[in-house]
Amino acid sequence: AQSVTQLGSHVSVSEGALVLLRCNYSSSVPPYLFWYVQYPNQGLQLLLKYTSAATLVKGINGFEAEFKKSETSFHLTKPSAHMSDAAEYFCAVSGPGTGNQFYFGTGTSLTVIP
Amino acid sequence: DVKVTQSSRYLVKRTGEKVFLECVQDMDHENMFWYRQDPGLGLRLIYFSYDVKMKEKGDIPEGYSVSREKKERFSLILESASTNQTSMYLCASSTHPGAGGLRSTDTQYFGPGTRLTVL
Repeated sequence: AQSVTQLGSHVSVSEGALVLLRCNYSSSVPPYLFWYVQYPNQGLQLLLKYTSAATLVKGINGFEAEFKKSETSFHLTKPSAHMSDAAEYFCAVSGPGTGNQFYFGTGTSLTVIP
Repeated sequence: DVKVTQSSRYLVKRTGEKVFLECVQDMDHENMFWYRQDPGLGLRLIYFSYDVKMKEKGDIPEGYSVSREKKERFSLILESASTNQTSMYLCASSTHPGAGGLRSTDTQYFGPGTRLTVL
């Protein structure tokens, strides 16, 4: 079965520091991969997605993610955290082998310390 | 921009009541989804629909039903609300990738959510 694992349910970084949110997937074939962000009391907003084109994907708000097939990973990074980045982040997988469904990780809550 | 709207942001109901959650999308998307979100559990799929009058069960359909009479509208129904259905409910829509494509694999666009409390 398809699954997505987000390591670390809570991550804290200082303002200006590197943001690294981890996502690993299990799939027998290359999947489609997504990162979503959820601000308090709001729905999910797409940050970026990978659909088998370039392995380094740039998204909104300065975020990017790199697809590494050998590591089955799709970690999200941002060079310098801003206070406005504080939110919940979800990794998701779909595509061949998912049985026609999206699968979301359990989320990582990012806190930015001033 | 894709817009997905949900009928209520906050809702308080009593145990045993019938509850309707409405979702409308304005992008002519074929696919629509209902999820519930609970702390530590992420998003769990309740039901989804690939077309008008079509519905399929997700991972946790028990206690819920859905209706899709028009392409733009997807309703979630709690026939007899219970306290364990207190949750954030999120609606999403996506386009169909076309012939040969997997129906639910394209980007999902979400509504703002409805926080339902059942007392």
